[in-house]
Amino acid sequence: DAMVIQNPRYQVTQFGKPVTLSCSQTLNHNVMYWYQQKSSQAPKLLFHYYDKDFNNEADTPDNFQSRRPNTSFCFLDIRSPGLGDTAMYLCATSRDKVDTQYFGPGTRLTVL
Amino acid sequence: EDQVTQSPEALRLQEGESSSLNCSYTVSGLRGLFWYRQDPGKGPEFLFTLYSAGEEKEKERLKATLTKKESFLHITAPKPEDSATYLCAVEGGATNKLIFGTGTLLAVQP
Repeated sequence: DAMVIQNPRYQVTQFGKPVTLSCSQTLNHNVMYWYQQKSSQAPKLLFHYYDKDFNNEADTPDNFQSRRPNTSFCFLDIRSPGLGDTAMYLCATSRDKVDTQYFGPGTRLTVL
Repeated sequence: EDQVTQSPEALRLQEGESSSLNCSYTVSGLRGLFWYRQDPGKGPEFLFTLYSAGEEKEKERLKATLTKKESFLHITAPKPEDSATYLCAVEGGATNKLIFGTGTLLAVQP
């Protein structure tokens, strides 16, 4: 089955210790997104890639970076996590910019 | 400002008790309205996309409808396994990004 895969599913890190979250897709979609979702809140878009074009949301902290080395993979790097970065991180893909987004299972990040 | 509001915030139903969830939106130039189901600790699972007023889509016990200002997710004879948070999102306005509501937490009791 075509799908969106995220690894790891759970990640615990120390305050200030860099962490990388991974997303891969077998849908061959052009667009990949990273969202942050805190408890009982709506998902918040951090950035997205349309093919190789990177689009950062204006309010995404500089602490958050992303890489898309090829069509299938996308990474979220948090350079110096703070306690406020504890959240679920969701990866999503869509065939084109205005199209249904399909989400992965998420990575639950806890910063201690 | 583009906005999505879902109501109620939480809904408790008895098994078999049909009801509707509401998603009202303000966005210029709606390109699509999306319904997702999210189970605790998991990513949103796609349910429906609606593009124009009057459109309806069905899947098992769920039916989504769309007007110019709101969408309804009708749940017919729900079962406990329908318990989840239901998220509504719209795409439109000046940007291409999804604007999410905060969801309706549905609990169906046996």
